[in-house]
Amino acid sequence: GAVVSQHPSRVICKSGTSVKIECRSLDFQATTMFWYRQFPKKSLMLMATSNEGSKATYEQGVEKDKFLINHASLTLSTLTVTSAHPEDSSFYICSARDSVQGTYEQYFGPGTRLTVT
Amino acid sequence: GDSVTQMEGPVTLSEEAFLTINCTYTATGYPSLFWYVQYPGEGLQLLLKATKADDKGSNKGFEATYRKETTSFHLEKGSVQVSDSAVYFCALRGDLAGNNRKLIWGLGTSLAVNP
Repeated sequence: GAVVSQHPSRVICKSGTSVKIECRSLDFQATTMFWYRQFPKKSLMLMATSNEGSKATYEQGVEKDKFLINHASLTLSTLTVTSAHPEDSSFYICSARDSVQGTYEQYFGPGTRLTVT
Repeated sequence: GDSVTQMEGPVTLSEEAFLTINCTYTATGYPSLFWYVQYPGEGLQLLLKATKADDKGSNKGFEATYRKETTSFHLEKGSVQVSDSAVYFCALRGDLAGNNRKLIWGLGTSLAVNP
């Protein structure tokens, strides 16, 4: 089955530093990847949609200069949280859509727990 | 716009009890409907889906029927196990092109099954 990996699974950083999270589709090509944020006991909040080779589309209220997304290849998208603050602590999840099958099925990564101290 | 409403949790059941998690939706056209499951410490997994009215999705003993007349997609399982303890998310994807066909999510329902 389609597998999506995320790295790192957990990261702790100091306030003011930047953190990069990688999302990879391991056995399929993904022209579109999605980045979500999940708060404790809350649903998923879509942050942005990342299309390979073009600029990401951010949801309303998400700061694009703070959450930098790069989708440079069909198997890799990265989310960089710049100048992180404690309120950015959260669980970040990516998903990738199989572009070859054309089913619009999304496959999810295991998530990255970010803690900003 | 499109939306999904699912029952609030947490839901606590004893092993072998019957499970229902309600999900209703608002959407134009003919959306596809999904149930995802998130086990503790793991990522989201697609549990089942239905793409048109009256379709029944099923997997691992779970079932949900796409009811257009009641705009519902309730999740059911006849006999839950401890291993079913997880958070369950109902979601829809619109049938209209554009907007990257985003998934619209419910808030999630936490299920705890006691032995």
